[in-house]
Amino acid sequence: ETGVTQSPTHLIKTRGQQVTLRCSSQSGHNTVSWYQQALGQGPQFIFQYYREEENGRGNFPPRFSGLQFPNYSSELNVNALELDDSALYLCASSLGTSSYEQYFGPGTRLTVT
Amino acid sequence: AQSVSQHNHHVILSEAASLELGCNYSYGGTVNLFWYVQYPGQHLQLLLKYFSGDPLVKGIKGFEAEFIKSKFSFNLRKPSVQWSDTAEYFCAVTAANFGNEKLTFGTGTRLTIIP
Repeated sequence: ETGVTQSPTHLIKTRGQQVTLRCSSQSGHNTVSWYQQALGQGPQFIFQYYREEENGRGNFPPRFSGLQFPNYSSELNVNALELDDSALYLCASSLGTSSYEQYFGPGTRLTVT
Repeated sequence: AQSVSQHNHHVILSEAASLELGCNYSYGGTVNLFWYVQYPGQHLQLLLKYFSGDPLVKGIKGFEAEFIKSKFSFNLRKPSVQWSDTAEYFCAVTAANFGNEKLTFGTGTRLTIIP
């Protein structure tokens, strides 16, 4: 059974640029959630995708957007990067949207300069 | 909206000492509760979870937690810690059966075990 994978591992971008982060869910999982973990903080929920549709969103601006593909892999896109977007971005997959354990990937470390 | 408080930001213990990390949540409805651990350089892993039933739940590596509904608490315990338990520990909660179970995390507790 393959776990959750994320790419790239690290990324350095300049303020104002756009970035795309990728996540492959664990085999059999149809739900992907994205979290932002700033240094010294707990992860914060960005949004969740279930069967290719957004299924809930946290307190993040519209420049944070996402996609889920038919194979349940997912992308997180961030436009007009700001310095405060520097963080570890975590992807988690689960079997469903309700009362299921979420399995986390290793994360993508984004640095915005 | 739910929230989670972890009052211990950094805990330092000697090997074989007993551990208790505090976690309190605020939410008026039914919750699912989790403890996750992040070892240095590794990804978040689930230690244990509570969905329903026996409020005392046992997890991996000898950890356990007790759900006390009246106190809105879900404290993590281990009777005898090891150096390998050095890690960041996060308590998290979801609103059960909501159909969009986002995890709401606490700010984490850094645990350092001295050999």
